[in-house]
Amino acid sequence: DGGITQSPKYLFRKEGQNVTLSCEQNLNHDAMYWYRQDPGQGLRLIYYSQIVNDFQKGDIAEGYSVSREKKESFPLTVTSAQKNPTAFYLCASSRDRGAAFFGQGTRLTVV
Amino acid sequence: KNEVEQSPQNLTAQEGEFITINCSYSVGISALHWLQQHPGGGIVSLFMLSSGKKKHGRLIATINIQEKHSSLHITASHPRDSAVYICAAGRPAGSNYKLTFGKGTLLTVNP
Repeated sequence: DGGITQSPKYLFRKEGQNVTLSCEQNLNHDAMYWYRQDPGQGLRLIYYSQIVNDFQKGDIAEGYSVSREKKESFPLTVTSAQKNPTAFYLCASSRDRGAAFFGQGTRLTVV
Repeated sequence: KNEVEQSPQNLTAQEGEFITINCSYSVGISALHWLQQHPGGGIVSLFMLSSGKKKHGRLIATINIQEKHSSLHITASHPRDSAVYICAAGRPAGSNYKLTFGKGTLLTVNP
């Protein structure tokens, strides 16, 4: 079955450490997105990529980095520069301007 | 004021009741998306509509472009419908397709 796989589901990180969240899709979608979700707030766009080897900052990119070396993969690194990294992170993909498909999310907690 | 406003924030219903969740937006859109987020976080895309009405099973989504308003209806609600329902306004933004999300409506359907 086609879909988006995010791993891990839960992640704990010590303050000051970088951590990478995985997102893989087998839907053959060109566009991939990373969103952050905080309690009481709508999803906010961190980074997006329309094509391999190209990506753009979203609304809240500071403290995050991404890469897009393969069409199927769009990993997100939460760096130590991100001041408030504890959140729920969702990856999505879309073929064009149609419906987006979302992963199951990764809940990151900084301890 | 948020670009996408949902109401109510929380909704509790008894099994079998007819449910309505509202979404108002203040930006020009090319499509309005309705999403469902279950406990645990994964998101499923329910509808994408740019005019009129769409129906899928017990779910109905309508949109009034002139009034910038959309509604999601659930007929004969069931406890398994309990989830967060999110509307998102979609519009082109340069080479990207940007989704602006509402904060979500938490629906609880009691047996």
